[in-house]
Amino acid sequence: EIVMTQSPATLSVSPGERATLSCRASQSVSSNLAWYQQKPGQAPRLLIYGASTRATGIPARFSGSGSGTEFTLTISSLQSEDFAVYYCQQYNNWPPYTFGQGTNLDIK
Amino acid sequence: EVQLLESGGGLVQPGGSLRLSCAASGFTFSSYAMSWVRQAPGKGLQWVSAISGSGDRTHYADSVKGRFTISRDISKNTLYLQMNSLRAEDTAVYYCARGGHYGLEYFDFWGQGTLVTVSS
Repeated sequence: EIVMTQSPATLSVSPGERATLSCRASQSVSSNLAWYQQKPGQAPRLLIYGASTRATGIPARFSGSGSGTEFTLTISSLQSEDFAVYYCQQYNNWPPYTFGQGTNLDIK
Repeated sequence: EVQLLESGGGLVQPGGSLRLSCAASGFTFSSYAMSWVRQAPGKGLQWVSAISGSGDRTHYADSVKGRFTISRDISKNTLYLQMNSLRAEDTAVYYCARGGHYGLEYFDFWGQGTLVTVSS
């Protein structure tokens, strides 16, 4: 089973600033990585797939990069609605599909 | 518009059974794999099970294998999860999600979830 590790666990950033979230895989997942956003009391929402392709309707301030074992989600200028928990998920070797433990992005 | 609506959650005693349903609309149900993903209170996401679009292939997390059964009724556009021999550690919000098999191996739409509580 591939283990996904996200860092940091919590990231405090001011609105308008850039946020950089990391995700590491225990072995290569090529570019088969997705990012999700989850707000309190809501279902997760797909942001990025294929490591760098934005899902339909996702603003351009969200970008993904990386391949192999190291990945990054960058939010270029944080808006109030971006404060949430973010999860990465690998789909290179399955079953099982595995998620990171999440990064809580909160307001500084 | 893609919509996924889960139902069937509730309180059940350890060792009991429950069947979850997910009504799908807004897309050709038989063309897409479907999955169940759960989230224990205050915890992260855990994939539980997936089924191919035609329903002929199923996959399970080791933690539920032999206890849970995923199925789909294409005529009703509905996904199911039959959960038997429930344990306290199965307590979670269960989300229905589109995807999880060849051709769509991530989850592009999610339902709002249904809470399952296993407790005596």
